Amino acid sequence: DIQMTQSPSSVSASVGDRVTITCRASQGISSYLAWYQQKPGKAPKLLIYAASSLQTGVSSRFSGSGSGTDFTLTISSLQPEDSATYYCQQANSLPLTFGGGTKVEIK
Amino acid sequence: QLIQSGPEVRKPGASVKVSCKASGYTFSSFGITWVRQAPGQGLEWLGWISPYNNTTTHAQRLQGRVTMTTDTSASTASMELRSLTSDDTAVYYCARGMLMRCSGGCYSLYFDPWGQGSLVTVSS
Repeated sequence: DIQMTQSPSSVSASVGDRVTITCRASQGISSYLAWYQQKPGKAPKLLIYAASSLQTGVSSRFSGSGSGTDFTLTISSLQPEDSATYYCQQANSLPLTFGGGTKVEIK
Repeated sequence: QLIQSGPEVRKPGASVKVSCKASGYTFSSFGITWVRQAPGQGLEWLGWISPYNNTTTHAQRLQGRVTMTTDTSASTASMELRSLTSDDTAVYYCARGMLMRCSGGCYSLYFDPWGQGSLVTVSS
């Protein structure tokens, strides 16, 4: 199975800050990567797919980059509503696997 | 949107069936993926089903314990999990698939939207 490792596991930042989350795959996954946002007690929400494509309706504050084994999710200007846990997910091979999550908190 | 069935409590060794009713789109045109999340834990992919032809792909670790089905007349997908243990306690999500790939099995690459989740508790 492909292991997805996210870092950091948590981050605390101020409103307006730029926040970057990293996801590393244990083997190359091309651009078959998605990012999800999950708020407490809610289902995950797709933000980015194919490593860098913004899902319809998602704020342009969110952007994704990377290919192969290293990927990043960037929130360009952190807003209060961005407080959540973020997960990466590889779609290159079965079984599909998720990263362990990164909790983003507002200072 | 996807609306899931309510919470369930089962004893170890029992079975549970979770349903997921779709609306607002052509049900047979998109795969349904099942994902679970144990309390305080991350996300685990369980499998995929095509409502178009009922082709399924399951996580190997669940092989033999899980059955995924669809009822296109009711726009509903269901997942039954048997021989439950405490490790199966989790919130179970269904999600509509985005883009499909067949490599070692067919599956949806990405998932959007998701159902609200169904809590399954396994306890004696």
